[in-house]
Amino acid sequence: DIQMTQSPSSLSASVGDRVTITCRASQSISSYLNWYQQKPGKAPKLLIFAASSLQSGVPSRFSGSGSGTDFTLTISSLQPEDFATYCCQQSYSTPWTFGQGTRVEIK
Amino acid sequence: QLQLQESGPGLVKPSETLSLTCTVSGGSISSSNYYWGWIRQPPGKGLEWIGSVIYSGSTYDNPSLKSRVTTSVDTSKNQFSLKLNSVTAADTAVYYCARHVRRDTIITLGFDPWGQGTLVTVSS
Repeated sequence: DIQMTQSPSSLSASVGDRVTITCRASQSISSYLNWYQQKPGKAPKLLIFAASSLQSGVPSRFSGSGSGTDFTLTISSLQPEDFATYCCQQSYSTPWTFGQGTRVEIK
Repeated sequence: QLQLQESGPGLVKPSETLSLTCTVSGGSISSSNYYWGWIRQPPGKGLEWIGSVIYSGSTYDNPSLKSRVTTSVDTSKNQFSLKLNSVTAADTAVYYCARHVRRDTIITLGFDPWGQGTLVTVSS
């Protein structure tokens, strides 16, 4: 199985901050990396697919980059509605696997 | 707008079979472009992919569940289903259904949209 490791596991940030979350795959997954946002009691929401493609309707302050084993999710200017948990997922090979999540909290 | 809705018992006894159905509305389940998947999330923990099915009935399951999983599709009802047998307390979780775009045989493009999720508790 491909293991997905995110860092940090949590972070505190202020509105307007630039936030970066990283995700590392245990083997190359080309660009088949997806990012999700999840708020308490809600289903995950797809933000970025194929490493850098913005899902329709997602604000442009979200961006993704990377290929191979190392990937990054960036929020250019954190907004109040962005406080949530973010997780990555590889869709390159089965079993499709998720990272453990990064909680973004208010400083 | 495509919507997915999970349904099934919220309480299952240990050693019995968990059965859930996902009803798809606003679009057809009969497309070779999509897989229809099940994902679960134990309370306070991360997401785990369980299994996926395509309209033809072909399936992929997570080997970590040790062949306890059966996924199936009913195109006449625009539904797909999950059965997980021999459940234990460790199977207590919120279960989600979701669609994912099929790029190649096993390469996909992320789960979207998702159902709202249904909590299944395994307890006697």
